[in-house]
Amino acid sequence: DQQVKQNSPSLSVQEGRISILNCDYTNSMFDYFLWYKKYPAEGPTFLISISSIKDKNEDGRFTVFLNKSAKHLSLHIVPSQPGDSAVYFCAASAMNSNYQLIWGAGTKLIIKP
Amino acid sequence: GAGVSQSPSNKVTEKGKDVELRCDPISGHTALYWYRQSLGQGLEFLIYFQGNSAPDKSGLPSDRFSAERTGGSVSTLTIQRTQQEDSAVYLCASSFTQDTQYFGPGTRLTVL
Repeated sequence: DQQVKQNSPSLSVQEGRISILNCDYTNSMFDYFLWYKKYPAEGPTFLISISSIKDKNEDGRFTVFLNKSAKHLSLHIVPSQPGDSAVYFCAASAMNSNYQLIWGAGTKLIIKP
Repeated sequence: GAGVSQSPSNKVTEKGKDVELRCDPISGHTALYWYRQSLGQGLEFLIYFQGNSAPDKSGLPSDRFSAERTGGSVSTLTIQRTQQEDSAVYLCASSFTQDTQYFGPGTRLTVL
């Protein structure tokens, strides 16, 4: 039973264009959502987060959108750069679960020059 | 400043042997998490330590898995009688607040 789903295993985007990574969740108790980025042979690094009281959070080239009614969030990267090539994980947590992170399977983003 | 460190970076062992994986969290972080990532899978929660509270062991897949955290700092994850399905990357993370977790580089465990 996957509570957090990233249905695209990989995504290829031209450098300079917008990358949109999607994530769906099933547990309505989730109240905090995070995106992590992972390079090979490294641990995931925190990228951006959003609380369930908001529908958008922006940090430089990265914007996360949350649609609670659809239980969907997305990460937009614009403009995409070669260094953005990595695996992106969506994670969710609920206040009543010790903030354990429940993770999606990841989406491999490839930025083409 | 120093991040989360894990050792060893790679471990190859034979089925049935015990292994110990070590995590050094960021100094001052009260929360410590262990996850594992199997090939093609998302991160799977294993265990969570918060301060002096009893750990949340709800993610441990079997009684062959155990973990301890000494002095509220270093943590060791022990897998007894390893099986081939234990092969994965084991990731440790620490946090000060209960949202953003900082990850170590992981230990890649291969059970032959």
